[in-house]
Amino acid sequence: GENVEQHPSTLSVQEGDSAVIKCTYSDSASNYFPWYKQELGKGPQLIIDIRSNVGEKKDQRIAVTLNKTAKHFSLHITETQPEDSAVYFCAARGDSNYQLIWGAGTKLIIKP
Amino acid sequence: NAGVTQTPKFQVLKTGQSMTLQCAQDMNHEYMSWYRQDPGMGLRLIHYSVGAGITDQGEVPNGYNVSRSTTEDFPLRLLSAAPSQTSVYFCASSPRFGRIEEKLFFGSGTQLSVL
Repeated sequence: GENVEQHPSTLSVQEGDSAVIKCTYSDSASNYFPWYKQELGKGPQLIIDIRSNVGEKKDQRIAVTLNKTAKHFSLHITETQPEDSAVYFCAARGDSNYQLIWGAGTKLIIKP
Repeated sequence: NAGVTQTPKFQVLKTGQSMTLQCAQDMNHEYMSWYRQDPGMGLRLIHYSVGAGITDQGEVPNGYNVSRSTTEDFPLRLLSAAPSQTSVYFCASSPRFGRIEEKLFFGSGTQLSVL
């Protein structure tokens, strides 16, 4: 079955700098890769996603890149702000199961 | 719209006690699911439902029961709580099941401690 590994588990960056979180997946049949953000005391919320037929997708300060050959995808946040502090989860899904397989999460800390 | 509502927000149980975690959504979503979140382990699927009267097991179903008698409600039952069930529980829903890009809508979670 699918396995998703996420790194790092904790990331601390200076406000205004960029943050990158990486995930690798094992099942080459996976073709949908969302990123969810979980703020303290709340449930995860979808922030960006990418299909396997696309290499990169941007939405203002956030972007996701996908390397199908290497089976990894990354979340990029530029010009980080205090409100970016949260736990970020990556996930993968394929056509055969439809259930998301989740990474372990990354706690992003933005230092003032 | 309230979205996905979970109750209670916090609960402390003694080993062997039973309880039901409530989940309700007002978006007429077909798909509902329960996850548990443990440190360093991400989100693990417990049970899910693709419509009223239809439920199925996820990755970690042991010790939990579910039912779906209406589109809106999807309660999770712990029949005999164990310390290993100490976790944060999330209910999530989506409009349909089977579309690759289906977005999940999460409740705010229930923090459960079993002593």
